[in-house]
Amino acid sequence: DQQVKQNSPSLSVQEGRISILNCDYTNSMFDYFLWYKKYPAEGPTFLISISSIKDKNEDGRFTVFLNKSAKHLSLHIVPSQPGDSAVYFCAASAFSGGSNYKLTFGKGTLLTVNP
Amino acid sequence: KAGVTQTPRYLIKTRGQQVTLSCSPISGHRSVSWYQQTPGQGLQFLFEYFSETQRNKGNFPGRFSGRQFSNSRSEMNVSTLELGDSALYLCASSFGAGAGETQYFGPGTRLLVL
Repeated sequence: DQQVKQNSPSLSVQEGRISILNCDYTNSMFDYFLWYKKYPAEGPTFLISISSIKDKNEDGRFTVFLNKSAKHLSLHIVPSQPGDSAVYFCAASAFSGGSNYKLTFGKGTLLTVNP
Repeated sequence: KAGVTQTPRYLIKTRGQQVTLSCSPISGHRSVSWYQQTPGQGLQFLFEYFSETQRNKGNFPGRFSGRQFSNSRSEMNVSTLELGDSALYLCASSFGAGAGETQYFGPGTRLLVL
């Protein structure tokens, strides 16, 4: 049972336009959400995160929106640049016992930004 | 600060062999997690270590094991390798294992089982 879902395996946008990557989750215990970017042959790089007490977090060209009632979050990249072309993973954190929290990842969305 | 390092970066083994992968976390980080990434799959959680203790474990067979040393460095071992174990193995470290922790990933070890 996949608790974090990225239903779009790929997304293609034009340079300068907005990229919107979506993520849905099923576990209502998730309270911290992250986005990672991954280039081929490299490990994922942390991009931006949001706590469940917020509905928006912004960092430069990247903004993450969280809709708790819909169990949905999205990553907006404005303006998109060719260097943003990568696989984007959504991840969510939930309490797993003791003082420990466990990250669960989605399967990723391949973003291609065309010049 | 140096990032997470993993050795080796690439490895070729044959079925039935065993392999040990190494991960050095960011200095000061005490939590190390391991993930397996295969084509078409997300990052599948293997296990997490904190202060030399396994705190969380994913749904992988007992052939997959790990340990963490007192300096927080971690090793992952896979015994009796199968073709399906071919994957990118990623290690991630974080300062703690609590709420709001961000994990930072290494470059991964690409394992090919022939």
